[in-house]
Amino acid sequence: DADVTQTPRNRITKTGKRIMLECSQTKGHDRMYWYRQDPGLGLQLIYYSFDVKDINKGEISDGYSVSRQAQAKFSLSLESAIPNQTALYFCATSDSGRGHEQFFGPGTRLTVL
Amino acid sequence: QKEVEQDPGPLSVPEGAIVSLNCTYSNSAFQYFMWYRQYSRKGPELLMYTYSSGNKEDGRFTAQVDKSSKYISLFIRDSQPSDSATYLCAMGANAGGTSYGKLTFGQGTILTVHP
Repeated sequence: DADVTQTPRNRITKTGKRIMLECSQTKGHDRMYWYRQDPGLGLQLIYYSFDVKDINKGEISDGYSVSRQAQAKFSLSLESAIPNQTALYFCATSDSGRGHEQFFGPGTRLTVL
Repeated sequence: QKEVEQDPGPLSVPEGAIVSLNCTYSNSAFQYFMWYRQYSRKGPELLMYTYSSGNKEDGRFTAQVDKSSKYISLFIRDSQPSDSATYLCAMGANAGGTSYGKLTFGQGTILTVHP
């Protein structure tokens, strides 16, 4: 089984809808991250969490919120989706002493119509 | 201006060629320099990691960091079709002697190695 899983893998939704993307990991890492990837822009950090009670905004947090339900689970929500949130979303994890080595999930392709 | 700049390519080379991928950056606080490889429809995976300046070699891959010029490179020798992927540079700052984890990525370079 994959160490970092994301659900759903693909989602098409309409403007204004609330969407939740979920991430689970079995690596035992305490740090988790959410990124979005757009063509030509690389990976941009949305939110990161260094443990269950420590959640921080990244470069592009506007329009997004997160919840760290447990060490192994980190969810990303779009409260009211808009078309420019159409992107590929990745969850990642890392060990606390090795933040440079991040392990990524397979990604969720989100389309907002 | 972005903190990390990477030529997005695309780059197309014949099998066996030497490939050079590069990134420049502006933040002097960066101490950790990584190259991630991303195959189509997959998440990125760590390929090379260098702390501070210098070179690091791993098989056909060599990572170079020049902090004085704020420039990092990845060289691939004897490139293979299986090297076809997007290569992302990434950088992070230090915190208490360990890598902090808040990484800044370049835009990614799409590489195709054709037989």
